[in-house]
Amino acid sequence: AQTVTQSQPEMSVQEAETVTLSCTYDTSESDYYLFWYKQPPSRQMILVIRQEAYKQQNATENRFSVNFQKAAKSFSLKISDSQLGDAAMYFCAYKDFGNEKLTFGTGTRLTIIP
Amino acid sequence: DGGITQSPKYLFRKEGQNVTLSCEQNLNHDAMYWYRQDPGQGLRLIYYSQIVNDFQKGDIAEGYSVSREKKESFPLTVTSAQKNPTAFYLCASSPYERGSGNIQYFGAGTRLSVL
Repeated sequence: AQTVTQSQPEMSVQEAETVTLSCTYDTSESDYYLFWYKQPPSRQMILVIRQEAYKQQNATENRFSVNFQKAAKSFSLKISDSQLGDAAMYFCAYKDFGNEKLTFGTGTRLTIIP
Repeated sequence: DGGITQSPKYLFRKEGQNVTLSCEQNLNHDAMYWYRQDPGQGLRLIYYSQIVNDFQKGDIAEGYSVSREKKESFPLTVTSAQKNPTAFYLCASSPYERGSGNIQYFGAGTRLSVL
């Protein structure tokens, strides 16, 4: 079974600085998708970024980018120019190519220090 | 506005009682999902449905039941067999296309507590 591990339960960063959240996963599949979701205090899950495993290029969305290392099974999220609105729980998630199921990590709580 | 609506926002269950959580979407998505979130844990899949009148068990289906009579609706019933129902429940939907990384969009959730 696939597993997703987020080893940092909590992180903090100064406003306007850069922070990296870690995620590792375990799978025997070669085709899959990886996601980062954000859960703010409202508790609604919001997609931050998606990466297809067959793409070597790292995905980026404005201030958010990933470092996808397929051989190492690592998928970290970098947030540049951190803003107060970035404070949230961040979840890493995995999905097989032929499976609709998302497997989530346990999350990292990110605090932004003004 | 298109989106996913979950109701109620808060729900209380008495011992031995079944309760139903509502999830409605107007995104014309084929697939719908129910997740449970407990403190310190990620989301765990309860049930999912890829088309009307069909659904599959997820990782923690025991004590729960679902129906999918309409494309836009996927209600979840927490039965009396679920001995630890206190949790935050999230509904999601996605367009269904096998083999694609279809993004799941989430509702605002329902907090269920036991009286």
